[in-house]
Amino acid sequence: QQPVQSPQAVILREGEDAVINCSSSKALYSVHWYRQKHGEAPVFLMILLKGGEQKGHEKISASFNEKKQQSSLYLTASQLSYSGTYFCGTEGGSQGNLIFGKGTKLSVKP
Amino acid sequence: NAGVTQTPKFRILKIGQSMTLQCTQDMNHNYMYWYRQDPGMGLKLIYYSVGAGITDKGEVPNGYNVSRSTTEDFPLRLELAAPSQTSVYFCASSYSDRGSQPQHFGDGTRLSIL
Repeated sequence: QQPVQSPQAVILREGEDAVINCSSSKALYSVHWYRQKHGEAPVFLMILLKGGEQKGHEKISASFNEKKQQSSLYLTASQLSYSGTYFCGTEGGSQGNLIFGKGTKLSVKP
Repeated sequence: NAGVTQTPKFRILKIGQSMTLQCTQDMNHNYMYWYRQDPGMGLKLIYYSVGAGITDKGEVPNGYNVSRSTTEDFPLRLELAAPSQTSVYFCASSYSDRGSQPQHFGDGTRLSIL
């Protein structure tokens, strides 16, 4: 089952905050987050493993609530370089492979 | 430090032609993957491999074939290209255990079938 991301798109001004959510209908053991800039490859941001641990990467952090079967990505004090499409990936495919959400397009304006 | 390298970067094929998309990684990763990405649809897994000589189907394997004769290389073969295979194809690799290790992506191959 493909995880559901929300919102589908968000527009921010520099310095504003954003939250991107990823929900699954299946039990989660891990959640991956990737960012993809237009015309480029997805780039790994972080993995959250079962246990509710919150991880951080500069001003980007994430939480994982396995009871609610969801993860949230937090972008604080956004920068122009944060623009791109953010994908979450959850284990749920055949043999435990990742299934990716459809993505959330983030645009940061000056 | 090359990481995952894909060739070609762009290709236009005619319906019914065949081609091989090349993927090689220099990180000694056991796991390798092929995804296709269509606009607004995220990444769909075509095939994956957990080591040399071992491959298996993903979500959307029809119309494709793979092989894994070495740890480094994981080519994707399109036989009888169809317009529905127009997409961006990404190869990725990870060290082990699909859930707990990050995937490293190549730059992609943009394929158009006309």
